[in-house]
Amino acid sequence: DAGVTQSPTHLIKTRGQQVTLRCSPISGHKSVSWYQQVLGQGPQFIFQYYEKEERGRGNFPDRFSARQFPNYSSELNVNALLLGDSALYLCASSLSSGGAVEQFFGPGTRLTVL
Amino acid sequence: QKEVEQNSGPLSVPEGAIASLNCTYSDRGSQSFFWYRQYSGKSPELIMFIYSNGDKEDGRFTAQLNKASQYVSLLIRDSQPSDSATYLCAVNDYKLSFGAGTTVTVRA
Repeated sequence: DAGVTQSPTHLIKTRGQQVTLRCSPISGHKSVSWYQQVLGQGPQFIFQYYEKEERGRGNFPDRFSARQFPNYSSELNVNALLLGDSALYLCASSLSSGGAVEQFFGPGTRLTVL
Repeated sequence: QKEVEQNSGPLSVPEGAIASLNCTYSDRGSQSFFWYRQYSGKSPELIMFIYSNGDKEDGRFTAQLNKASQYVSLLIRDSQPSDSATYLCAVNDYKLSFGAGTTVTVRA
C-alpha cells in the first residue's frame, strides 16, 4: 500500500509570498495532521482535520490555514511568508482522531523562504 | 516548562551495546506515548507506542512507561550502525507533542 504522499518535495519562496502544500493520506485513513519542524527541534503541531472538520489547531498565526477534501487529502496554506517560516512541513495520516491512534508521516515538504 | 523533555544527547554507543533514551512529560493525564526515529533529512518513522505502565518489547526495542513518575524510555539492544538517528519522544492527546529529540550515534 502507498504511504502518505506530499507535494512538492522542495519549495523556494520569497518573503510576502503565499504557498500551498498538499498531502494525500494512507488509503482508508480519514484524519490528517500538519506539523512544522525547524532544524534541531521536534515537530510542532499546526492543524488536525478529521472527516473534513478541523479538530485542533496549534499555536500558529492566522496566516496558516488548512482544509481537507472529500477524498481526505489536505492542503496547508501559508500567507505573507516570513523568513521564520522556513522549515520542513510534515503531514501525518491516521485512521481517526484521538490520542490512542498511530500517526504516520509523509516525506515532508522543505520550504525555504528567502 | 516544556511538555515533553528528552535527554539532550548526543548519545554515542559502541556497536552491540544498549542505547538508553529517556523522556519526561508534564501532563499527568497523558495516556499515549510514541517513539519515532528520524534519519537526517528524512521524516519521522514510528517505532513503537505504549499506553500501559510497564515494558513493551518489539524486536530489539523496548519501551518502558511509568505514569506515576511521568517517565517513558526506549532501550535499543544490540545497537547497530543503522540505528544512528535522532529519536523523538511524543505524547499523543490527538495531537503529537514532541520532545526535541536525542541523537544517537552507534560506533562500529
